[in-house]
Parts: sequence; structure tokens; C-alpha cells
Amino acid sequence: AQKVTQAQTEISVVEKEDVTLDCVYETRDTTYYLFWYKQPPSGELVFLIRRNSFDEQNEISGRYSWNFQKSTSSFNFTITASQVVDSAVYFCALSANSGYALNFGKGTSLLVTP
Amino acid sequence: DAGVIQSPRHEVTEMGQEVTLRCKPISGHNSLFWYRQTMMRGLELLIYFNNNVPIDDSGMPEDRFSAKMPNASFSTLKIQPSEPRDSAVYFCASRLLAGDTGELFFGEGSRLTVL
Repeated sequence: AQKVTQAQTEISVVEKEDVTLDCVYETRDTTYYLFWYKQPPSGELVFLIRRNSFDEQNEISGRYSWNFQKSTSSFNFTITASQVVDSAVYFCALSANSGYALNFGKGTSLLVTP
Repeated sequence: DAGVIQSPRHEVTEMGQEVTLRCKPISGHNSLFWYRQTMMRGLELLIYFNNNVPIDDSGMPEDRFSAKMPNASFSTLKIQPSEPRDSAVYFCASRLLAGDTGELFFGEGSRLTVL
């Protein structure tokens, strides 16, 4: 069985603060893939990143960074110097092996206020 | 390039009516997924197809739900008869290769309200 837990339901920060969104996963598969998606108020789901289980290197893309730690089964997402446009619901997802569907966490709603 | 196209974007219907949601995946994509999003249950996989063949329909709530993919460029999700608890946003997504591990590209969703 696969499970993704995003314990933070809602987070509110003031613009320019750093914020970390937590993601903890469970799977018995040795090969799996982790994803983050963003759902802005307009409702569409936007892909942010994919990481496979053999690549524990952290990744940085502009103000976004991701920390993957297999030892703690976590794939956390940090936004540095948050902006109002970062306000959205963020989903972490897990897929085992190839060609499988994604299992999504319940999402974390991030509100960034001016 | 066109993304995943879903129709209708909004549907309001009365309990007992038949509802048909439509999806056109990205051209050349070989996997198609139907998800449902509600406040209570989040994003749930309903069914997915690889090369037009249903692979996993264990997420389909009950016999009132059915999905088809008659060709590589079109899929439908049908609810008959509809019930108020079916109210949700239904997303269609596609992936380039059936055996791939790549990301899913989502449509804008169909918001269904059953009165």
C-alpha cells in the first residue's frame, strides 16, 4: 500500500518569509517516484517537480527547493522569500514503478499575505 | 500546443440525471487518468487507461460510474444516475508514455454540482 501524508492542512505566512511544506510517504516498493503539484485559486494542477527514489540529491529551482530524505521517508518543499502569488494548495504525490497512477496527499493550503 | 481539454467546465444537474464528462488528452499521450477532488477526500484516482485499455478501475465508487476510452484522443466518464454526493471537481490527466514515470498533465477540471 502507498500513502502520502501532508500533516499541515493550512499555513499562513507574511510575504518574504520562508516556508516549508512537509510530505511523508509510505511504500514497500524500492523504486518509486515523488512529485509536487501546485493548485492556485484558479483550480488547475501545475506540475512542479518529480524525483525518483534513487536520487536523493536536493534540488533548487529559483525560490523553490526540495529536500528528499529516504531515511525519514520525507520529501519536503521549501519556498524562500514567499510571495503573494505563491498562495495555493500544494500537493505531494507518490507513484510506485512505471506507468502507475499518482497517489496524492490531502494537500497543504498556503496563504501568503502582504 | 493544446493541453488536456475537458468539457463541460461546469455542470449543474438534478439528482437522478445522467452526467457525461469528456476529456481529450494531449496528442501523442498514451495514458489517461480520471481523478475526483472533494474537500473531504482530496484527490482520488477513479480509473486510468494505458493505450486505451483500462488498467485500474478500483477507485470507481460504484456501478453508477463508468468510463470509456474508445480511441487515443477521447475519453468519457459517465455517472448514471447522479446523486448529490457525486458533486466534486473531476480532473482528467494524461501522461506521455504508458510505461513512463513522468508527470501527469492535468486539464482544468469539470465542476459537477448535483442538486
